[in-house]
Amino acid sequence: DGGITQSPKYLFRKEGQNVTLSCEQNLNHDAMYWYRQDPGQGLRLIYYSQIVNDFQKGDIAEGYSVSREKKESFPLTVTSAQKNPTAFYLCASSRTGVAGANVLTFGAGSRLTVL
Amino acid sequence: SQQGEEDPQALSIQEGENATMNCSYKTSINNLQWYRQNSGRGLVHLILIRSNEREKHSGRLRVTLDTSKKSSSLLITASRAADTASYFCATVEGAQKLVFGQGTRLTINP
Repeated sequence: DGGITQSPKYLFRKEGQNVTLSCEQNLNHDAMYWYRQDPGQGLRLIYYSQIVNDFQKGDIAEGYSVSREKKESFPLTVTSAQKNPTAFYLCASSRTGVAGANVLTFGAGSRLTVL
Repeated sequence: SQQGEEDPQALSIQEGENATMNCSYKTSINNLQWYRQNSGRGLVHLILIRSNEREKHSGRLRVTLDTSKKSSSLLITASRAADTASYFCATVEGAQKLVFGQGTRLTINP
């Protein structure tokens, strides 16, 4: 089955540590996205990538980093510079162009808790 | 940036009743999408309506779009307990950024 796999589902981190969230898709989608969701809130865009080896900052990129070395993979690193990293992180992908119409397919999410 | 705003923020109805939630947006759009999120899960795409469409149906879902008022509504008919979820509208901002509203939390009471 095609889809997006996020791992780990739950992650606990001590303050000052960097953590990397994995996102893999087998949908052959060109574009991939990372969103952050806080309790009872909507989604805020962290980073997005339309093609391999290229990515753009979203609205809340500070304290986060990404890479896009392969079409299938778009890992997100939450660095120690992110002051309030406890949140639910969602990865998504889409086809590009008019045909894709920016319809996103989401993973199941990763919940990060800073202890 | 926050493009869409849903209203109401929370809605509780009895099973079998219809549920209506609204979305307002600020800039011109090519299309508007609605997504559903079950608690603690990822979002699932429900329906897309293009700017030149006024109404679209998918099963028990009906979406309307009024570009003159920059608003859209999602109607779920004959609601079921399984429809309990949060519902988000989303529009495209810039080249490829999909921007989501705050969502409407829908609770269907048996």
